[in-house]
Amino acid sequence: AQSVTQLDSQVPVFEEAPVELRCNYSSSVSVYLFWYVQYPNQGLQLLLKYLSGSTLVKGINGFEAEFNKSQTSFHLRKPSVHISDTAEYFCAVRGSGNRDDKIIFGKGTRLHILP
Amino acid sequence: AAGVIQSPRHLIKEKRETATLKCYPIPRHDTVYWYQQGPGQDPQFLISFYEKMQSDKGSIPDRFSAQQFSDYHSELNMSSLELGDSALYFCASSLGAIYSGNTIYFGEGSWLTVV
Repeated sequence: AQSVTQLDSQVPVFEEAPVELRCNYSSSVSVYLFWYVQYPNQGLQLLLKYLSGSTLVKGINGFEAEFNKSQTSFHLRKPSVHISDTAEYFCAVRGSGNRDDKIIFGKGTRLHILP
Repeated sequence: AAGVIQSPRHLIKEKRETATLKCYPIPRHDTVYWYQQGPGQDPQFLISFYEKMQSDKGSIPDRFSAQQFSDYHSELNMSSLELGDSALYFCASSLGAIYSGNTIYFGEGSWLTVV
């Protein structure tokens, strides 16, 4: 079974400052990793995903994440945030086996952009 | 591009009533997932279907049932509703449960309020 830990429930950051949202995962098998964003009263939108290959993954809206297998981490970063980035961010994991195909979400990190 | 369609978007029911949520996956997607997101919570996996057969089961109450039809749409039936069932219900779809690296796309969700 897999699990995801998002270390910060809320992260306040000033507009145009950099941000890092932390995510650690646990799994006994190889995994695929995802970051989803949920804007207020909206659905889940895929920001980026790591399946294999380069450990640095670039996504939409200027976000990127780095897969670190030794530290079992998949932290999300953005060099300069905008007020429109205010949202809930979910890190998620999915086993890479044939039948273990559901996504397990972390508890989420609420990103507050301060003017 | 076509997305995952969920209906209704908003639903208000009284305790002990029954509710049915519908999900229309992205065309050609053969796998459907249902998630429940309570207020301030992360999405919790309920159940999934691949090629009209149940493929995985999560924390779905016995009062809930779901199925996937021949046209691949899915319905989540909830009976004897309780106040705690008030949540945002997501449907998601993907192509092929065999290759779990395929992206899972989420719908906008159906808001269920039980009063």
